[in-house]
Amino acid sequence: QSALTQPPSASGSPGQSVTISCTGTTRDVGGHNHVSWYQQHPGKAPKFMIYEVTKRPSGVPDRFSGSKSGNTASLTVSGLQAEDEADYYCSSYAGSNNWVFGGGTRLTVL
Amino acid sequence: QELLVESGGGVVQPGGSLRLSCAASGFIFNSYNMHWVRQAPGKGLEWVAFIRYDSSDKWYADSVKGRFSVSRDNSKTTVYLQMNSLRAEDTAIYYCVKDQDWGFGHWGQGTLVAVSS
Repeated sequence: QSALTQPPSASGSPGQSVTISCTGTTRDVGGHNHVSWYQQHPGKAPKFMIYEVTKRPSGVPDRFSGSKSGNTASLTVSGLQAEDEADYYCSSYAGSNNWVFGGGTRLTVL
Repeated sequence: QELLVESGGGVVQPGGSLRLSCAASGFIFNSYNMHWVRQAPGKGLEWVAFIRYDSSDKWYADSVKGRFSVSRDNSKTTVYLQMNSLRAEDTAIYYCVKDQDWGFGHWGQGTLVAVSS
């Protein structure tokens, strides 16, 4: 199963907004609404940030939002804060009893 | 408070076997599907295996199919990953994860498996 495509890096200044893309195919991102996003700080386990494209688990700030258009999903972080600096991964159910992840995007807060 | 605690990782020779355990607490374990996800050193995340809440379905990534086996004991609120015929490329941190709406909802802290001679 091929990985979803994410940009290796993204950056923004405090207070700004940044959007991270996640491109798949009609078998995964384009074919299901089971798209989710994860935040991972160095040496820590990933944290569930967005599920079913747009939903936020309890406790996740509303600065984090998700969307999808066709085969591309996006994570937007608004009002960037220093603690948002981390690696971000997207994932999608890919049908045929499989899940697939993106390669990850390192977000730098300048 | 939901808690997942993995154990059983370590160093193993190529071709060897290892059994990982994940003890769950803080939620109704027998109502939730569970996953194993791994992360090779310095690399991204890779889904490994899924088990339905009642063990009726078990699904595997192609990279581990035929070598790994997932199981659970709801009476012990524990999920397992039996790993056989281990290869160098199986070296990774293995995370136990609670499913939420077909996403990876809550993660354990992970256990490191190193396959090396």
